[in-house]
Amino acid sequence: KAGVTQTPRYLIKTRGQQVTLSCSPISGHRSVSWYQQTPGQGLQFLFEYFSETQRNKGNFPGRFSGRQFSNSRSEMNVSTLELGDSALYLCASRDLDTEAFFGQGTRLTVV
Amino acid sequence: DQQVKQNSPSLSVQEGRISILNCDYTNSMFDYFLWYKKYPAEGPTFLISISSIKDKNEDGRFTVFLNKSAKHLSLHIVPSQPGDSAVYFCAAFTSGTYKYIFGTGTRLKVLA
Repeated sequence: KAGVTQTPRYLIKTRGQQVTLSCSPISGHRSVSWYQQTPGQGLQFLFEYFSETQRNKGNFPGRFSGRQFSNSRSEMNVSTLELGDSALYLCASRDLDTEAFFGQGTRLTVV
Repeated sequence: DQQVKQNSPSLSVQEGRISILNCDYTNSMFDYFLWYKKYPAEGPTFLISISSIKDKNEDGRFTVFLNKSAKHLSLHIVPSQPGDSAVYFCAAFTSGTYKYIFGTGTRLKVLA
């Protein structure tokens, strides 16, 4: 079974731009969650999608949004990028009551 | 408000000895706890989990202990190996939410 795939792996954007990150979950997994990892802050929960519906949301501004498609693939969008958005963005997929499996992440650098 | 805390940012242990990583939580609604291991430039890898109805779960060299009254869990690695050197995150969630709350991580270094 293929693991969780995130694209792109690395991204450099300029302040004020927007960015879209993609996540393909493990086949059969309907839940996709997004996390932001920054030094000293650990992994911060952004949001979770299940069957195309946002089921949970973390404490991030509205510039951070996401969606999930009928094939369970998910995208995360960040608009009006700020320097502080530089981070590793991780996607995780899960099936019902199993643990979450993470992708390798997208390293976003905002300059 | 940090609901899950790992107060030791780093830990060094000699190869073959026991590594003990600690995690404290404040939310009594959490009923499922997990440990993940993370190498640089990779996503976290699931290690072991425990539900709140248990106080111990073992998987090979890894054992997780849960003390609900103290709101404390720990991960024991015996014996520690150099390949265990990584950052370890504990996480917790409440059933039905699947919103994992992670600690800030502990960097374990196992010395050969």
